[in-house]
Amino acid sequence: AQKVTQAQTEISVVEKEDVTLDCVYETRDTTYYLFWYKQPPSGELVFLIRRNSFDEQNEISGRYSWNFQKSTSSFNFTITASQVVDSAVYFCALSGPGTSYGKLTFGQGTILTVHP
Amino acid sequence: EAGVTQFPSHSVIEKGQTVTLRCDPISGHDNLYWYRRVMGKEIKFLLHFVKESKQDESGMPNNRFLAERTGGTYSTLKVQPAELEDSGVYFCASSPMDRGPAGELFFGEGSRLTVL
Repeated sequence: AQKVTQAQTEISVVEKEDVTLDCVYETRDTTYYLFWYKQPPSGELVFLIRRNSFDEQNEISGRYSWNFQKSTSSFNFTITASQVVDSAVYFCALSGPGTSYGKLTFGQGTILTVHP
Repeated sequence: EAGVTQFPSHSVIEKGQTVTLRCDPISGHDNLYWYRRVMGKEIKFLLHFVKESKQDESGMPNNRFLAERTGGTYSTLKVQPAELEDSGVYFCASSPMDRGPAGELFFGEGSRLTVL
């Protein structure tokens, strides 16, 4: 069975601080995909990144960076120099082979509040 | 290009009543997914359509839930009769077939269902 754990329920930071959102996953699959989605106040989930299990390279996109470590089954997300617009709920998710890679297993989400 | 649209945005019904939620995926997206988040829990997969066919309905909680996707376009999710534990936010997501096995999902803003 697959499982995703986001241990941080809520994080509160002041603008310009760096913040890391933790994600730990469990799966027996050797091929799988990891995702991060952002849910702004409007409600829709917005795709941020996808990583497959064979690509452990870290990725940076602007102020966002992701650290994937298979050895610890973690896929952490760091926002550098946070801004108020980063306030949202962030979900880590996992999918594996089977009928559909679109069948995601989500973590419980981390509520990030960035104060001005 | 219009995104995934869901209707209604919020529905309040009495226990035992029927509610039908509708999802219009992005035009041309053959994959359509329903997910649900009940209060304080993870977002959970309900089912997956490929065009008009149910590919995977392993997440449907019970036979009070009926999903359809006539003609492979919009989809409806009917709950009949609704119970208190059905309260939550129902998300619809879509993706095209040509994005490979783990393309990003495009989510709607969700339909919030409150059963009193």
